[in-house]
Amino acid sequence: EVQLVESGGGLVKPGGSLRLSCAASGFIFSSYNMNWVRQAPGKGLEWVSYIGSGGIYIYYADSVKGRFTISRDNAKNSLYLQMSSLRAEDTAVYYCARDNNAYNDYWGHGTLVTVSS
Amino acid sequence: EIVLTQSPATLSLSPGEGATLSCRASQTISSTLAWYQQKPGQAPRLLIYDASNRATGIPARFSGSGSGTDFTLTISSLEAEDFAVYYCQQGSSWRRTFGQGTKVEIK
Repeated sequence: EVQLVESGGGLVKPGGSLRLSCAASGFIFSSYNMNWVRQAPGKGLEWVSYIGSGGIYIYYADSVKGRFTISRDNAKNSLYLQMSSLRAEDTAVYYCARDNNAYNDYWGHGTLVTVSS
Repeated sequence: EIVLTQSPATLSLSPGEGATLSCRASQTISSTLAWYQQKPGQAPRLLIYDASNRATGIPARFSGSGSGTDFTLTISSLEAEDFAVYYCQQGSSWRRTFGQGTKVEIK
């Protein structure tokens, strides 16, 4: 059974940093591209970042470029999102999702990040 | 960046009625479009990929169509569990953008 479990969310002050993790199981993690997608309270889905299966190809939304860094450890079946210079508008539930031929076929349950003083 | 525009924002319908949701891309994306369903407190669920293919386990009352810039999700006869928010997402660009969502609510 495919499972994606996010962790690392919490309350952080503006300007602070946080590292999210996503533990994958039930599939060959190293064979799949991955995405981070977020959802602000009461708002729609916003794609945040993409990483290719080998960790070479990486893309970011303009809203987080230069502040967030996506990475993965295929030996540990894990995906990461390092977030810095956090702003109030980064407050959201962050989902990791498996990218299967351009579509997100499996999603985690999400982890809430709240940026507030 | 490819922008996806969904319409309408809200659809008020009764169980048993049909629903038609639209998604328009700012540039041609061939058939690289997906639809997702999201219920409150839950992660999104993939319904349709490549514009018209149902994902595993998705009932036949859900169908997708379109190519290029205009796409449609049709729910033939709404059941109670179908009242939710629906999002489209394009896979043509590595920057996987989503539409803003259409809420299907009970009338």
